Amino acid sequence: TQLLEQSPQFLSIQEGENLTVYCNSSSVFSSLQWYRQEPGEGPVLLVTVVTGGEVKKLKRLTFQFGDARKDSSLHITAAQTGDTGLYLCAGGDHTDKLIFGTGTRLQVFP
Amino acid sequence: DAGVIQSPRHEVTEMGQEVTLRCKPISGHDYLFWYRQTMMRGLELLIYFNNNVPIDDSGMPEDRFSAKMPNASFSTLKIQPSEPRDSAVYFCASSLVLRDRRTEAFFGQGTRLTVV
Repeated sequence: TQLLEQSPQFLSIQEGENLTVYCNSSSVFSSLQWYRQEPGEGPVLLVTVVTGGEVKKLKRLTFQFGDARKDSSLHITAAQTGDTGLYLCAGGDHTDKLIFGTGTRLQVFP
Repeated sequence: DAGVIQSPRHEVTEMGQEVTLRCKPISGHDYLFWYRQTMMRGLELLIYFNNNVPIDDSGMPEDRFSAKMPNASFSTLKIQPSEPRDSAVYFCASSLVLRDRRTEAFFGQGTRLTVV
């Protein structure tokens, strides 16, 4: 069974702080995505990484795929209240199945 | 495109009743996924289809759950009979596999099911 463990599970910070969320697995994935979900809505894709060691930046968000394609991290610089939400990583394998991680709930206070 | 459309948005039903959740995927997408989300278990994959054919239903909790995709623009998830532990938010997502086999899922707004 493929499992994606995210840490931390909950994160509460002040505006302006930096943070990092981790996504770890014992399985190798052909691609890894990060989604953000707001209350009452479905998850929305932020980024996809496919190459081991790949780094992608989306404004204040930096995503990295581990060299072995088993783990990933999301770093947010100078968090804003609008970053509040549930962050989910999701791994895609050769079968095109998309498995989601356990989630990190981020709360950014003004 | 209007995105993935799910109905109803909310459903409250009594234990033992049949529940049918509906999904219209994004036109042209060849994959359709059904997920269930709860606080305890997170977002769980129940079943997914490729070109209307069920590929993997190993996440379906038990025989009370069934899913169909009669055509490329419509899918249903049925629970019969429903139980209180089925209460959750059910999401439908569709995706298109790109040439390098990445799958990027677009989600509907979900159906919040409450079984009392």
